[in-house]
Amino acid sequence: SAVISQKPSRDICQRGTSLTIQCQVDSQVTMMFWYRQQPGQSLTLIATANQGSEATYESGFVIDKFPISRPNLTFSTLTVSNMSPEDSSIYLCSVEAGSGPYNEQFFGPGTRLTVL
Amino acid sequence: AQKITQTQPGMFVQEKEAVTLDCTYDTSDPSYGLFWYKQPSSGEMIFLIYQGSYDQQNATEGRYSLNFQKARKSANLVISASQLGDSAMYFCAMREYSNYQLIWGAGTKLIIKP
Repeated sequence: SAVISQKPSRDICQRGTSLTIQCQVDSQVTMMFWYRQQPGQSLTLIATANQGSEATYESGFVIDKFPISRPNLTFSTLTVSNMSPEDSSIYLCSVEAGSGPYNEQFFGPGTRLTVL
Repeated sequence: AQKITQTQPGMFVQEKEAVTLDCTYDTSDPSYGLFWYKQPSSGEMIFLIYQGSYDQQNATEGRYSLNFQKARKSANLVISASQLGDSAMYFCAMREYSNYQLIWGAGTKLIIKP
């Protein structure tokens, strides 16, 4: 398993500002995932972050809006830029842990973002 | 087309009863994994149980078991002797061998009544 922490746990932000969310893992991992969960919805993958390379973004998400850093194998940040109320969501980071073909993903506690 | 379908948006169950949460999936990949997660109101996603497509036995983890019916493409979660703390959202997810991504269902909100 993996223990993941996220900062901040929650925030209330003004429209047009940016917020950077930090994700720290207690072990070295290759892939880290960033998800968005809008109110009452399921999880949507924003991007996959590999250390030493550009993040891979899913359809509908762009680097200018959600820049990601992955400076080492235990840490990543996601920035939500130029926020609007539509960005109000829970943002979760996750990692895979294990040596099997289908390893479960472990999640951080999430960052609950409200944009006014 | 939806790949993971959870047909029960919400369920009410009496405490101590068993509960079955439905999940059907669609894939042409012969090799895949199926996962169930619990999300309490705090927002954290908690891994519960995993079933591989080639596993011969249904997966079990404590009070959780997975009723895997491969021919029907269903992977229902069974919670025995439900507790008040089981009240949460439950998500079914799948990963295909050809894709590193998890594909998520819409979730089922389970409420346990005392």
